[in-house]
Amino acid sequence: QQQVKQSPQSLIVQKGGISIINCAYENTAFDYFPWYQQFPGKGPALLIAIRPDVSEKKEGRFTISFNKSAKQFSLHIMDSQPGDSATYFCAASEDQGAQKLVFGQGTRLTINP
Amino acid sequence: SQTIHQWPATLVQPVGSPLSLECTVEGTSNPNLYWYRQAAGRGLQLLFYSIGIDQISSEVPQNLSASRPQDRQFILSSKKLLLSDSGFYLCAFGTGVYNSPLHFGNGTRLTVT
Repeated sequence: QQQVKQSPQSLIVQKGGISIINCAYENTAFDYFPWYQQFPGKGPALLIAIRPDVSEKKEGRFTISFNKSAKQFSLHIMDSQPGDSATYFCAASEDQGAQKLVFGQGTRLTINP
Repeated sequence: SQTIHQWPATLVQPVGSPLSLECTVEGTSNPNLYWYRQAAGRGLQLLFYSIGIDQISSEVPQNLSASRPQDRQFILSSKKLLLSDSGFYLCAFGTGVYNSPLHFGNGTRLTVT
């Protein structure tokens, strides 16, 4: 059962452009929505996270937009750089103490110089 | 600071052989511990999680088992590997604090031949 759907699977953006990755979830009990960045051969690292009581969170060039009614959230990378080339995962979890993250399928982002 | 160590980085094992992957955490007490498996195009799948010693939950029925012999040690095992066990295995820890992130190790690339 796929509880978090992520799109697109792959994305190519020119340097300086905006990268946008979208996720949709089904479980209305989810209340924590992190994004992870993964480079080849490494484990995922937390990039930015949001709670459903806010509609947007920005950290530097990275912004999460959250639409609770639509059960969707997205990651925007402004002024995309070649160093941003990586695989990005959205995730979601409920606050049940076990912190069980459910991940999207991942998006392979390539930034062309 | 909190750190997580996972080894080995790569492993090639024949079908039917046993498996033992180890993960240790430093800098925190009584962490939540997790084993995820990453398959191409399918995101990260939660295999096992533990919120304390002797408290291990399985998310997916399979050929694998997990143990937590010490507070900050988590082991993934198999008695007889299958070809379908090949993949990228990731250990992670969390503090159990509401809306806090999970931190991942650098993973083990397992190839069953």
